[in-house]
Amino acid sequence: DAGVTQSPTHLIKTRGQHVTLRCSPISGHKSVSWYQQVLGQGPQFIFQYYEKEERGRGNFPDRFSARQFPNYSSELNVNALLLGDSALYLCASSRTVLVTQYFGPGTRLLVL
Amino acid sequence: DAKTTQPTSMDCAEGRAANLPCNHSTISGNEYVYWYRQIHSQGPQYIIHGLKNNETNEMASLIITEDRKSSTLILPHATLRDTAVYYCIVRVANKDQGGSEKLVFGKGTKLTVNP
Repeated sequence: DAGVTQSPTHLIKTRGQHVTLRCSPISGHKSVSWYQQVLGQGPQFIFQYYEKEERGRGNFPDRFSARQFPNYSSELNVNALLLGDSALYLCASSRTVLVTQYFGPGTRLLVL
Repeated sequence: DAKTTQPTSMDCAEGRAANLPCNHSTISGNEYVYWYRQIHSQGPQYIIHGLKNNETNEMASLIITEDRKSSTLILPHATLRDTAVYYCIVRVANKDQGGSEKLVFGKGTKLTVNP
């Protein structure tokens, strides 16, 4: 079975632009979570979605938003990019909430 | 915010057991201990989790102390491919948001398996 897939794998943007990152969960998984990992740190929780509804939000500014589609795939949007948004963005899926999350390979975003 | 404490780095000889400790002294009764690992620039890989009892799967064993304040991840026969950062996580459940959860990662333990 295919694991969690994310696109694109790499992305370069300039300050002030916006970006959309995409995630397809493992087949049968209805929950998607997003994490940000800056260099040298562990991943930090951004959002969790389940059945298209937001179930959790981390300590990130309103420039970060997300949504989940009827097929359970998800998008993470970041507006007005800052240099500090440069990071590996990870998507994790799980069957429901409160169960094991499985991570995708991530999207590496570089903001210049 | 991480509720766990792990050594920054550890070394292990190839073929020997790697024992990675983790302290989680403030763990609540209904919180699970999860272990993930992350090989350079890849997404974290799930290894194992447990609540009270020791657990074993094809990748590793998890030993949780009786008071649940600490645990040890055991890789029985470490290989060079086990070189990675290992994260011990207490799964936080946000019951106020309908049972959502977040994984709170610390900095983990950098395990280096030497030939």
